[in-house]
Amino acid sequence: GAVVSQHPSWVICKSGTSVKIECRSLDFQATTMFWYRQFPKQSLMLMATSNEGSKATYEQGVEKDKFLINHASLTLSTLTVTSAHPEDSSFYICSATSRGSQYQPQHFGDGTRLSIL
Amino acid sequence: KNQVEQSPQSLIILEGKNCTLQCNYTVSPFSNLRWYKQDTGRGPVSLTIMTFSENTKSNGRYTATLDADTKQSSLHITASQLSDSASYICVVSPGAGSYQLTFGKGTKLSVIP
Repeated sequence: GAVVSQHPSWVICKSGTSVKIECRSLDFQATTMFWYRQFPKQSLMLMATSNEGSKATYEQGVEKDKFLINHASLTLSTLTVTSAHPEDSSFYICSATSRGSQYQPQHFGDGTRLSIL
Repeated sequence: KNQVEQSPQSLIILEGKNCTLQCNYTVSPFSNLRWYKQDTGRGPVSLTIMTFSENTKSNGRYTATLDADTKQSSLHITASQLSDSASYICVVSPGAGSYQLTFGKGTKLSVIP
């Protein structure tokens, strides 16, 4: 089945550091990738949608200058949390889907636990 | 506002027993409804996808039902196993060319021996 790999799975860093998270589709071409944030006991909240080769579309309230998204190839998207602060600590999950039927499931990565000290 | 409500919020059952999780949604337009299983600290894994014309879909011991008229869905788990302990998330897609999904908060299921 379709596999999405997310790296790293866990990050602890100091306030002010920038952190890059990678999301790769291992066995299919992901024309669209999504980045979510999930707080404890909450549902996944969509942060942004990225299509290969174009700028990401951010959800209302998500700062595009703080959460930089790059989707340069059909198998890789990156999320960079710039100048991270403790309030950015969360579980970040990416998902990917291929062009075609919108009935295809989004395939999720295993998430990245980000802790900012 | 598009919403997906799940109940119960949490559930504890004995190993081997059956259980049913509920999902009500107000998403419009509606294209399809998905159930995902999310283990703690992991990403969601798709269990079933149903379009508005489908009433039921099975995946092993998981059976999902959908009533598009009442905008309700259920996920039935048969002969539960310890490995079924996870959060089960109901997700609705609006279709109409959109890939965006509306997520429920999930039901946390704990299967105990």
